[in-house]
Amino acid sequence: DGGITQSPKYLFRKEGQNVTLSCEQNLNHDAMYWYRQDPGQGLRLIYYSQIVNDFQKGDIAEGYSVSREKKESFPLTVTSAQKNPTAFYLCASCSSGTAYNEQFFGPGTRLTVL
Amino acid sequence: AQSVTQLDSQVPVFEEAPVELRCNYSSSVSVYLFWYVQYPNQGLQLLLKYLSGSTLVKGINGFEAEFNKSQTSFHLRKPSVHISDTAEYFCAVSLGGQGGKLIFGQGTELSVKP
Repeated sequence: DGGITQSPKYLFRKEGQNVTLSCEQNLNHDAMYWYRQDPGQGLRLIYYSQIVNDFQKGDIAEGYSVSREKKESFPLTVTSAQKNPTAFYLCASCSSGTAYNEQFFGPGTRLTVL
Repeated sequence: AQSVTQLDSQVPVFEEAPVELRCNYSSSVSVYLFWYVQYPNQGLQLLLKYLSGSTLVKGINGFEAEFNKSQTSFHLRKPSVHISDTAEYFCAVSLGGQGGKLIFGQGTELSVKP
């Protein structure tokens, strides 16, 4: 089955620690995205990548970093510079072969800072 | 800048009653429109999309939406809801291209009561 996987489902971090969230897709999509979701705030774009070895900042990139070394993978690192990292993180992907940008989502990772 | 407004943050409704979740967008150019559903602690799942053609779009789980260009609206409807429809619903807009980005509304929490 094609799809997007995110791991882990739940993640706990101590203040001051960096943590990396995994996102893998086997849909052969070129574009991948990371969103942060907080209650009542909808989805906010952190980073996105349209092609391997290239990525762009979204609306709330401060305190986050990404890499795109393989088409299938787009890991997100939450650094200690992110002041309030507790949130639900969603990864998505999209085919560049369509004009309308339908995005497919993973199941999410809930990050809690202790 | 383009934006999406979901007019109701919460919609309580009794089982088997009809429901309408409202979405307005701002754009002076042609757009593609989406409704996604999110069940608790899960990722987003596509309900339906408007790309072109007929303004009435049918989706999964008995939902439908009507695109109204003059009112820049894309309201989601279901004639008879079930308890299992309890979830958060997101309206999203794509301009095409633009890095494949979607612009999301803040979400509407639909609560179906017995």
